[in-house]
Amino acid sequence: RKEVEQDPGPFNVPEGATVAFNCTYSNSASQSFFWYRQDCRKEPKLLMSVYSSGNEDGRFTAQLNRASQYISLLIRDSKLSDSATYLCVVLTSGSARQLTFGSGTQLTVLP
Amino acid sequence: EPEVTQTPSHQVTQMGQEVILRCVPISNHLYFYWYRQILGQKVEFLVSFYNNEISEKSEIFDDQFSVERPDGSNFTLKIRSTKLEDSAMYFCASSGTSVAGELFFGEGSRLTVL
Repeated sequence: RKEVEQDPGPFNVPEGATVAFNCTYSNSASQSFFWYRQDCRKEPKLLMSVYSSGNEDGRFTAQLNRASQYISLLIRDSKLSDSATYLCVVLTSGSARQLTFGSGTQLTVLP
Repeated sequence: EPEVTQTPSHQVTQMGQEVILRCVPISNHLYFYWYRQILGQKVEFLVSFYNNEISEKSEIFDDQFSVERPDGSNFTLKIRSTKLEDSAMYFCASSGTSVAGELFFGEGSRLTVL
């Protein structure tokens, strides 16, 4: 089983739609969880951290289910500018400083 | 807004040559990283650096690779005797002490080995 697994997509949705991405991780001792976005041929950028209680940042909501080892990202009222690859990122190792990236889910928001 | 800067943005080299990729992390950050991304593949951890020494490295980071922080601002990745499979985008990242995992990435250096 891959350390961090995501549905690669692509997800093609109309503007204004709500879209959800899922991610599973294999190491039950994983400590912290994040969503990054990566535009084509650009660097990853932190979108949001994922907290145990779930958290929201504007149109974006992240959820964590430790029992199922599952993370989700919900985007409401999607914009054209949301088109990107969304990377699920997990802090997995014993060290506090190594991240494991998922392969990403590609989202295209259509006009 | 402070940012991580990387040079060069693109380097083309012949197989067997040495390359040095340079990074200037955000000035008050203490943790530095190199990641790479082969085209179409996922971002892979290479090495982390703290307090002027390597704190962790992946199996990718073998004797061909080295890092150093020569002058307190630059953070370099040296790749000796480059191979075709070293062709990738190399990202430098830094983080402060707030939350492990909240990394700030540079725009990357694309390495093409011919």
